[in-house]
Amino acid sequence: QKEVEQNSGPLSVPEGAIASLNCTYSDRGSQSFFWYRQYSGKSPELIMSIYSNGDKEDGRFTAQLNKASQYVSLLIRDSQPSDSATYLCAVSFTGNQFYFGTGTSLTVIP
Amino acid sequence: GAVVSQHPSRVICKSGTSVKIECRSLDFQATTMFWYRQFPKQSLMLMATSNEGSKATYEQGVEKDKFLINHASLTLSTLTVTSAHPEDSSFYICSARQDRGNGELFFGEGSRLTVL
Repeated sequence: QKEVEQNSGPLSVPEGAIASLNCTYSDRGSQSFFWYRQYSGKSPELIMSIYSNGDKEDGRFTAQLNKASQYVSLLIRDSQPSDSATYLCAVSFTGNQFYFGTGTSLTVIP
Repeated sequence: GAVVSQHPSRVICKSGTSVKIECRSLDFQATTMFWYRQFPKQSLMLMATSNEGSKATYEQGVEKDKFLINHASLTLSTLTVTSAHPEDSSFYICSARQDRGNGELFFGEGSRLTVL
């Protein structure tokens, strides 16, 4: 059974702080890793994709991947109230199958 | 990023009728598309994997005769909810995987179905 696990939260951080979202996965054969943001009542939106160990930065977002530990994280710097949403971690094993975590709810407090 | 268009965004229908939802990849080809259902405050639930030119693969517990999926071209997949009932009311979301590049997955805007 391929599993993707996230802490459901809610995670609350003050405006301007760093929000840290974590995800673990069960299959060592996983190749592609994604973070999606989903606002209430809307569909998921791709934020970051990462494929190799290390950090990948895009604006205020940094994705970190550690395949040895089967761990992927998303850091949001200078958090804004507009970042308040549910963040979904997704893992692809074959490219044709994507497994999603249940999501972490983030609230950024003004 | 790539664009996936889903239509209609909202639909209200009477019990017993059928509803068709379209999912189009606007600027890329997608051999594989996925259909999800999401209830309020719950996570995405994969219903089926749609492959162009072949039959869809349904997840366990999803009735293939009730949720008809057709993927007739590399840019279009449709989901038809047949003989809809109030318990089918939900948020249906499609996604499409890019055939080229890194094979990223992009989501449509979702379709909110209400069955009266």
